[in-house]
Amino acid sequence: DVKVTQSSRYLVKRTGEKVFLECVQDMDHENMFWYRQDPGLGLRLIYFSYDVKMKEKGDIPEGYSVSREKKERFSLILESASTNQTSMYLCASSPYRDRTEAFFGQGTRLTVV
Amino acid sequence: GEDVEQSLFLSVREGDSSVINCTYTDSSSTYLYWYKQEPGAGLQLLTYIFSNMDMKQDQRLTVLLNKKDKHLSLRIADTQTGDSAIYFCAESPRNQGGKLIFGQGTELSVKP
Repeated sequence: DVKVTQSSRYLVKRTGEKVFLECVQDMDHENMFWYRQDPGLGLRLIYFSYDVKMKEKGDIPEGYSVSREKKERFSLILESASTNQTSMYLCASSPYRDRTEAFFGQGTRLTVV
Repeated sequence: GEDVEQSLFLSVREGDSSVINCTYTDSSSTYLYWYKQEPGAGLQLLTYIFSNMDMKQDQRLTVLLNKKDKHLSLRIADTQTGDSAIYFCAESPRNQGGKLIFGQGTELSVKP
């Protein structure tokens, strides 16, 4: 079974802190994604990557950056956390560029105070 | 632009059929997906349909696709309390590097 693991289930950070959310997948997938989920808004794509060191902006990249130094790991970075970044963050991976059966991690609920 | 729309809530009685509807805008999507999210968990792929199909059946699940109207539906037969969850439809526009566009999610509540 594909496993996508996010490093934390719950995080509480202070405004202005630099925050790292880590995601690791164990199935050699090409694509990796970071979404945030907010009630009534569904999932919104922050960034995605289709190869090592490659990244593409999604719909809401402002305030975020990403890093993909190894194929299995995709990190989301909040450069200076703000309260409006309090949300559920979901990482996903998928094996093909045009057929995207994405597999999701369990999510990280981030609270910025 | 790309957009996927769903109604936010659906309530049914145990044993009834549930129908969750979705509209999408990008006709280039090769596949359309239904994901399920149980409380406190990530999303799990439930089923998908290839864009040249009208219908796909998988046990209690039936997916209907109307390409002309860009309308996708998920029917769950004999709905059980364990089906209570949030259901997301998603499209994957062609030539966008595998990007998935999700709807807002429909929260299905199944009452005994």
